[in-house]
Amino acid sequence: VQLVDSGGGSVQPGGSLRLSCAASGFTFSSYWMSWVRQAPGKGLEWVANIKQDGSEKYYVDSVKGRFTISRDNAKNSLFLQMNSLRDEDTATYFCARDLKQIGFDYWGQGTLVTVSS
Amino acid sequence: DIQMTQSPSTLSASVGDRVTITCRASQTIGDWLAWYQQKPGKAPKLLIFKASNLQSGVPSRFSGSGSGTEFTLTISSLQPDDFATYYCQQCDTYPLTFGGGTKVEIK
Repeated sequence: VQLVDSGGGSVQPGGSLRLSCAASGFTFSSYWMSWVRQAPGKGLEWVANIKQDGSEKYYVDSVKGRFTISRDNAKNSLFLQMNSLRDEDTATYFCARDLKQIGFDYWGQGTLVTVSS
Repeated sequence: DIQMTQSPSTLSASVGDRVTITCRASQTIGDWLAWYQQKPGKAPKLLIFKASNLQSGVPSRFSGSGSGTEFTLTISSLQPDDFATYYCQQCDTYPLTFGGGTKVEIK
């Protein structure tokens, strides 16, 4: 199992960024997937998750209406479209395989998003 | 939202010590609790799921217990590789939430 996060970078407040997670080594279309973030020097915060077929999505309140999680099962890829970015969105973003009530058993290496003017 | 409170936030211990970390949920979550270990610059690693089940490949010196609102992670004999930060996470209700972390340092 391998998850490779990409797409991070520096952006000004109000800007947009699209994160990607490339999955391999397992049947991607059979699993829920999540994004989890970690601000510099801080703890972990779950951001969003998506069902196998994309029919259900859940978000933490702080990103609702600004972030959109999506997936492309044909390309074994997970995405996070982040709009209207704020300073407080600065964090390393990890994708993770989501086993629902079991937890997150595999994680990407993380991609750093910095929101600053 | 369910608040997860870990204690202590920092713990100083020596190799061979028995270490216990506590996690309290602001409302009952059954046994839907996971524990993770994270080392600096790395992704978290799942240690325990469903409060007391050891994830495959995790050494047996790690154990978890509890249900409802009170949970513990125990390391029976601390090893050099165990110095890290540990997080609990409730997997019961959206939004999924983590504890603030417990950093295990070398004494």
